[in-house]
Amino acid sequence: GAVVSQHPSWVICKSGTSVKIECRSLDFQATTMFWYRQFPKQSLMLMATSNEGSKATYEQGVEKDKFLINHASLTLSTLTVTSAHPEDSSFYICSASISGVHSQHEQFFGPGTRLTVL
Amino acid sequence: GENVEQHPSTLSVQEGDSAVIKCTYSDSASNYFPWYKQELGKRPQLIIDIRSNVGEKKDQRIAVTLNKTAKHFSLHITETQPEDSAVYFCAASITGTASKLTFGTGTRLQVTL
Repeated sequence: GAVVSQHPSWVICKSGTSVKIECRSLDFQATTMFWYRQFPKQSLMLMATSNEGSKATYEQGVEKDKFLINHASLTLSTLTVTSAHPEDSSFYICSASISGVHSQHEQFFGPGTRLTVL
Repeated sequence: GENVEQHPSTLSVQEGDSAVIKCTYSDSASNYFPWYKQELGKRPQLIIDIRSNVGEKKDQRIAVTLNKTAKHFSLHITETQPEDSAVYFCAASITGTASKLTFGTGTRLQVTL
């Protein structure tokens, strides 16, 4: 149980285009989903926290107009990188947490999406 | 906000030896401390976690210790094997509605034959 999927697993796009990444919880309802970015040989940096039906909370320094997050249901969150540029090339990973008193600690991670902007 | 420091950044041990990775955190309100193993190009995988009401937790060859007073926690891997080679991340969070994780900078562990 507690499986999180991401689609696509990798994407190459031209500079200036937009890219949408989907994150799905397959066998549980995720009250909260998180989006991380990981540059090569670096740690995971939280970009935003998203709760179903409400606006995402962005971390300091993350442009909300550039990284659009939609959490339309308890099983799906999407991250859209708008007007992508080469510096946006990174590994984007989502995670989901299960609602409930006893299980609210653990986050379950998706497999990640490698974005390359040419 | 929370800040998590992790040391060392790289660690090379011989197969069968023990490996220790240390982390310190800044926010005394943090109460959940997971450790993740990440192989190249893969998702982080939870290997062990500890909550602030516990000082030590063990799972076969892996153990984690927590010192709340000093605000540091450590990962101990005994009898290391080549398949333990990966990048390990510690993290800290304050459990609650958000429960967002702050990650350490990572330790690249290499287990040599």
